[in-house]
Amino acid sequence: YELTQPPSVSVSPGQTAIITCSGDKLGNKYVSWYQQKPGQSPVVVIFQDAKRPSGIPKRFSGSNSGNTATLTISGTQAMDEADYHCQAWDRSTVVFGTGTKVTVL
Amino acid sequence: QVQLQESGPGLVKPSETLSLTCSVSDYSNSSSFSWDWIRQPPGKGLEWIGTFSHNGGTFYNPSLKSRVTIFVDTSKSQFSLKLRSVTAADTAVYFCARGSVVVTAASYYFDSWGQGALVTVSS
Repeated sequence: YELTQPPSVSVSPGQTAIITCSGDKLGNKYVSWYQQKPGQSPVVVIFQDAKRPSGIPKRFSGSNSGNTATLTISGTQAMDEADYHCQAWDRSTVVFGTGTKVTVL
Repeated sequence: QVQLQESGPGLVKPSETLSLTCSVSDYSNSSSFSWDWIRQPPGKGLEWIGTFSHNGGTFYNPSLKSRVTIFVDTSKSQFSLKLRSVTAADTAVYFCARGSVVVTAASYYFDSWGQGALVTVSS
């Protein structure tokens, strides 16, 4: 099973960044999203498609339908510049997406 | 918040076995958690290696299954990874992580991660 993400997304400060994750019938699985800054471990920002862990800002939101899951960052801030990875669980194996580098210009 | 910390050699010779241990501050046998290894080659994405799962079984990435063993030592609150017959392609930062699992909902995500350990395969 494979999850495909765009390699990069660029966004201006205060604008909305949209990151996609595509996989066969992905809407039938729960998707999580992780933020990873250089030299750091990943941090979950969205789980079960759309839930935010405590401490994650409300500007992070998620959705999942059909073959595509989406992570949306509203009012993007400079601190949101990072790599973002989607993840799903398929037949007792975990799959990560190819990763997207978000650049805040 | 549970804390995880990887330990082990940072340099392994080709064809030998990579061994890492993850120490967990609050190890739980709860059926809600799994204990996983994930790696990230330099400049690349995340790759799941495998898990000691919430139900006590082990599951591995099919691409690594023939070379991987994950096991738990509950008395030491640790779980470990062994990867045999390594090559340069196994050079990566290795993370241990806790999986939060809800089987009935098919939900599985990682709520806690170690800081990562760089392992280089080189002679």
